[in-house]
This record gives sequence, C-alpha cells and structure tokens, in this order.
Amino acid sequence: EPEVTQTPSHQVTQMGQEVILRCVPISNHLYFYWYRQILGQKVEFLVSFYNNEISEKSEIFDDQFSVERPDGSNFTLKIRSTKLEDSAMYFCAVGALEGGVAGELFFGEGSRLTVL
Amino acid sequence: AQSVSQHNHHVILSEAASLELGCNYSYGGTVNLFWYVQYPGQHLQLLLKYFSGDPLVKGIKGFEAEFIKSKFSFNLRKPSVQWSDTAEYFCAIFSGGYNKLIFGAGTRLAVHP
Repeated sequence: EPEVTQTPSHQVTQMGQEVILRCVPISNHLYFYWYRQILGQKVEFLVSFYNNEISEKSEIFDDQFSVERPDGSNFTLKIRSTKLEDSAMYFCAVGALEGGVAGELFFGEGSRLTVL
Repeated sequence: AQSVSQHNHHVILSEAASLELGCNYSYGGTVNLFWYVQYPGQHLQLLLKYFSGDPLVKGIKGFEAEFIKSKFSFNLRKPSVQWSDTAEYFCAIFSGGYNKLIFGAGTRLAVHP
C-alpha cells in the first residue's frame, strides 16, 4: 500500500481555470513535497513544506502556485490560473519519518494534469 | 548549486546483459544518494540509497550502486538484466542544507527478451 494517496489521478481543465491537487499521507511524516514531470522530461522540484510552512520553492513555483495543509492531513497544491505549460504529472512526496534517512522520499502515484 | 548528470538518456539491452548507468553529481558538501525507478505508468519507487558506511550498496531486484566520492559518482549496476527491468531510472541527491531531492534527467532502459 502506498505511503501517499493522490487525487485526482487525472484532471483535464481549460486554460485559466483553478486546479487543486490533493495528497493524503498515511503515516506521520514531517516533510511534504510537490514535484512535477512534464511528459518525457525530468522530475522537477516544485516546493517543500515543513511545520506548516514552505521550506523551499523552485523558480517554477511562482505566484500561480500555492500549497497548504489545512486540516493536518491533506496536503494540497493549488494552481490559480492554469496555463498550457502546466500540463504534467504532479507527484506528491513525503519524507523524514523518525529514524528515516533524509531524502528518502515516498512518492504518490501522481496526478496527471492536462490543460487545454 | 547542486546538480545531477546522468550520462545515458536511453539504453537498450538484451536479457541477461550487464547494466551500468552513470550518475555524477556536483555538490561540495555531504549528500545522500539515491536511485529511483519508474516502471511504465507507475510512480517513482526507491531502488537503493547511500548515506554512510560501505560505499557499495545493494538495493532491490539485484541492483547495486557504488559511491565514489573522489569522482562524485554513484553508478548503478546489475549483472544480468531482465525484461521486467524495463523502466526509467533516476539518480538523485539530497543535502540537508537544501532540503530537497534533486533528480537527474533519467535514463530510459528497454530490455528486449
């Protein structure tokens, strides 16, 4: 059973629409991450989240993106106004359980976002 | 800045052939090193990891990797590949100072029966 469950598995949206991707970790992880993978390209870091705030973000993570963990369980990525180039597979990852190895992340199965 | 280079973008092998995928990284400090695998249509899974101790680490499914600090390398090896090893392989590094996993571009491996 995966450590992380992501929903939706696939979302198709129109350019300019808002999208929310959700991630639910099973265990009590400390760090949360979003990565994305444009088709055929490398896995890119978007943002890390620790102690209810952003720990680090990449250049990709501009003002159109936001993350939150509103209820201490779900970890969400919101894209405010989607662009065609946001089409990608978005992976949630969790890491740093007590006694775990730093950087050993557990990835969800991904949410494929298609922007038309 | 941290970066990871994977030398081969696409590798094609026959079953039972030996595999070596190259990975070099640039970062002067202490890093943890990882290989992740992504089978077709699936999510990323950890193949093996190095954070200290014996620089030759063994992972799942017969894979191993050797950390050579002087060469900033962490090459992945398997003596005899199987068709089921067809997947994309990503080398990655993690340093506490940056608190993120940085991936290489990936190597797509196709194993023919």
